[in-house]
Amino acid sequence: NAGVTQTPKFQVLKTGQSMTLQCAQDMNHEYMSWYRQDPGMGLRLIHYSVGAGITDQGEVPNGYNVSRSTTEDFPLRLLSAAPSQTSVYFCASRQWGDNYGYTFGSGTRLTVV
Amino acid sequence: KQEVTQIPAALSVPEGENLVLNCSFTDSAIYNLQWFRQDPGKGLTSLLLIQSSQREQTSGRLNASLDKSSGRSTLYIAASQPGDSATYLCAVGNRRGGADGLTFGKGTHLIIQP
Repeated sequence: NAGVTQTPKFQVLKTGQSMTLQCAQDMNHEYMSWYRQDPGMGLRLIHYSVGAGITDQGEVPNGYNVSRSTTEDFPLRLLSAAPSQTSVYFCASRQWGDNYGYTFGSGTRLTVV
Repeated sequence: KQEVTQIPAALSVPEGENLVLNCSFTDSAIYNLQWFRQDPGKGLTSLLLIQSSQREQTSGRLNASLDKSSGRSTLYIAASQPGDSATYLCAVGNRRGGADGLTFGKGTHLIIQP
């Protein structure tokens, strides 16, 4: 198993550009979520999904869209990038059931100039 | 809204010492609690998972406890080593069976001096 794979690892965008951060997991996990990590703020939940076709907003959803057309993939879209979206983005997934915690990807470092 | 606090924010100790990292949360109706380790510029590595019905979990030199009623968890590291230097993050899985993601503390930055 590759686990949770995030691409790209690094990205520089200009203000107003759009892009999609990819997240894929090969563990057949039902639950997936996106976080951003900023200095002094910790990790904050952006969006999450409890299964294919079902998504919901987390703590900081503004400026981001998600969709979950398959169990494996959970892309995060920035529609019009802003400097405030400069951050490190992490995707995570978890299996349904009591004895399972979240597995995280290695992150995408995004800079918006 | 769930809030998670970790104390201390930073800690530096000599190699070989036993140490305790603290985590507190405001809403005791949690599903589970997970401790992570993060090395600089890297992702998160899961260390321990405690279900809301459990009191503690152990893995090697690590022991995590949970007191849900008081909203507290501790991570005990025995016989610390320089390789333990990292940021340790506490995260709470909330209601809905923990499906709606995690709420994180800001972490404890740990340095073990050789």
